[in-house]
Amino acid sequence: TQLLEQSPQFLSIQEGENLTVYCNSSSVFSSLQWYRQEPGEGPVLLVTVVTGGEVKKLKRLTFQFGDARKDSSLHITAAQPGDTGLYLCAGWDTGNQFYFGTGTSLTVIP
Amino acid sequence: DADVTQTPRNRITKTGKRIMLECSQTKGHDRMYWYRQDPGLGLRLIYYSFDVKDINKGEISDGYSVSRQAQAKFSLSLESAIPNQTALYFCATSDPTGLTGELFFGEGSRLTVL
Repeated sequence: TQLLEQSPQFLSIQEGENLTVYCNSSSVFSSLQWYRQEPGEGPVLLVTVVTGGEVKKLKRLTFQFGDARKDSSLHITAAQPGDTGLYLCAGWDTGNQFYFGTGTSLTVIP
Repeated sequence: DADVTQTPRNRITKTGKRIMLECSQTKGHDRMYWYRQDPGLGLRLIYYSFDVKDINKGEISDGYSVSRQAQAKFSLSLESAIPNQTALYFCATSDPTGLTGELFFGEGSRLTVL
């Protein structure tokens, strides 16, 4: 059962552009994480959001958790080639289960 | 050295063969997981273990089995591999004492079943 829908699935942009990736669910989560995965490697945690409405910034990346804790977004400002990778959202529920989104493959063209 | 180590990193095998993927961790976490990654499907949970005596099926456990040999070791077996088990497999750990449920992944084991 796929509980988390990510959009878009693929994104190819020029260096310097801005972008937003969405992670949506009909379920409420205790927390939500964003991971980035590069080819040949495992996913690496970028951020965890816990409180509804929470906004966290990590340099040029801004993460937001929806007020109802069902959805999240990742906004990248002035994308760089180093941002290229697969971005995965993952929800964690009170039953100690992790549910992953389908992923967004981002390519930033120099 | 990586905190979560998977072996082998790559494996090509034939239909019907038994395959074991191994995972060891130095993070001291009690919880360990095996995930499968396929293009467009994200990560799907195969099995998970919250301590040495605890084994639980995940979303796609059919055709797989696991063994938790110690706190630090969790292996995944394919008793009779089939081509649709060709995928990238990840082992992960998490810390139950944390409040936010974060996963730490190995580098993955790419399995090809011919």
